[in-house]
Amino acid sequence: DVVMTQSPLSLPVTLGQPASISCRSSQSLVYNDEYASLNWFQQRPGQSPRRLIYKVSNRDSGVPDRFSGSGSGTDFTLKISRVEAEDVGVYYCMQGTHWPWTFGQGTKVEIK
Amino acid sequence: EVQLVESGGGLEEPGRSLRLSCTTSGFTFADYSMSWFRQAPGKGLEWVAFIRRRDYGGTTEYAASVEGRFTISRDDSKSIVYLQMNSLKTDDTAVYYCARERGAFSKIRGDVDYWGQGTLVTVSS
Repeated sequence: DVVMTQSPLSLPVTLGQPASISCRSSQSLVYNDEYASLNWFQQRPGQSPRRLIYKVSNRDSGVPDRFSGSGSGTDFTLKISRVEAEDVGVYYCMQGTHWPWTFGQGTKVEIK
Repeated sequence: EVQLVESGGGLEEPGRSLRLSCTTSGFTFADYSMSWFRQAPGKGLEWVAFIRRRDYGGTTEYAASVEGRFTISRDDSKSIVYLQMNSLKTDDTAVYYCARERGAFSKIRGDVDYWGQGTLVTVSS
């Protein structure tokens, strides 16, 4: 199975400051030399997951542009340009290239 | 508006069975593949099962932890996806989520966009 490793696991951030989460995979997520299926999900307290980013860097409809994704191969990053109070929650990366689909451990974003 | 509503969760004893349902609306269900995920209390997300749309063969995939015990199925006439859970174990205790996969349109594997609100399954004696 592809192991997804996120860091940090806990991220205290000051309101208005940037935040960055790393996600590394144990093997390349590139499918057929075409694309990497790497998703980012946000899970606010008490809610179900909401997808923010798909195919590494594509924002889902309605997702604020302060969220951005980047990376390639085995190394991916989610960035929040200026953290707002509503961004508190746990963020997960998920690879969809290889069966079984696998998730990172999650990164808890909280306000300092 | 796309909606997915899970039901059927509850308390069940180890070794028994439970069937979850995910009733959908707001999209043409038959055109999409569907998946189940779960989240144990205080833990992270885990993929459980996947079923392709019928004209992709309606074939299925399972996580090793549930293979042979769980069965995913779909009823396109009712826009519902099911998860039959047999031989339940205490480790199956989790909130179960269904989700839509739109890879047939986006041509991206694992393109899971919408999720339901989840249903809690507790396996305990």
